[in-house]
Amino acid sequence: QQQVKQSPQSLIVQKGGISIINCAYENTAFDYFPWYQQFPGKGPALLIAIRPDVSEKKEGRFTISFNKSAKQFSLHIMDSQPGDSATYFCAASDRGSTLGRLYFGRGTQLTVWP
Amino acid sequence: DTEVTQTPKHLVMGMTNKKSLKCEQHMGHRAMYWYKQKAKKPPELMFVYSYEKLSINESVPSRFSPECPNSSLLNLHLHALQPEDSALYLCASSQDLRQSGANVLTFGAGSRLTVL
Repeated sequence: QQQVKQSPQSLIVQKGGISIINCAYENTAFDYFPWYQQFPGKGPALLIAIRPDVSEKKEGRFTISFNKSAKQFSLHIMDSQPGDSATYFCAASDRGSTLGRLYFGRGTQLTVWP
Repeated sequence: DTEVTQTPKHLVMGMTNKKSLKCEQHMGHRAMYWYKQKAKKPPELMFVYSYEKLSINESVPSRFSPECPNSSLLNLHLHALQPEDSALYLCASSQDLRQSGANVLTFGAGSRLTVL
C-alpha cells in the first residue's frame, strides 16, 4: 500500500510558467514532508520541506502548500526554468515511528520547455 | 564537506561474481542508508545503520550484505546477484535518527549496477 500518492506522473510546462505537483497521504502520524529533486545520473537532493504546524513555506521560486485537514501538500515552482527539468519526489515521515524511514511518492518528471 | 561519495559510479558484474559498493561521508552523520532505485521509480529503502549498528533490514535477500566498518564508511557486498538486481544503488546519510528535528537525508550520486 502506497503511503504517499503523487500526481501527475509527468508534467510539461513552458518557461516562465507555474509547475504544480500534488501529494496526498493517509497516515496522520506523519509530521515531516520533504520534497526531493533528482537530475539524471544524480542522487535525490533535498529541495524544501515543511512541518504540519504551518500551511505554507516559501524558498525562492519554490513553495510548499500544506492542507492538514485534507492531508494534502503540493509543490509550486514559480517562473519555471529549463534548469528545473528533473524528477521531483514528495515524501513523508513520522519521527516517532520506525527509525530512518521516509515514504516517497512515485515521482513527477518535470520538463520545462524554453 | 557536505558530500556523500559513492564508488564505483558504474559496475557490471556476472551472476557468479562478488563485488562491493562503497560509500563515505565526512559530515559527522551517525545514520547511513542503502537505497535501491529502478528507472523512473522512487528510491526503495534497503538497510539503515545507526551508530554503526544495523537498525533496519527491509527483508533484503541475503545476496546483499551490508557492512558499516566505522561511522564514515558503509559498504554493500554483492554476491550471486540476479539480472533483476540491476539498478542504481544510492547511499545516504543523516545526522542522527533520534534527533528531534527532521530526518534530512543527504544522498550520494549512486552506483549504477548492471548484472549480466
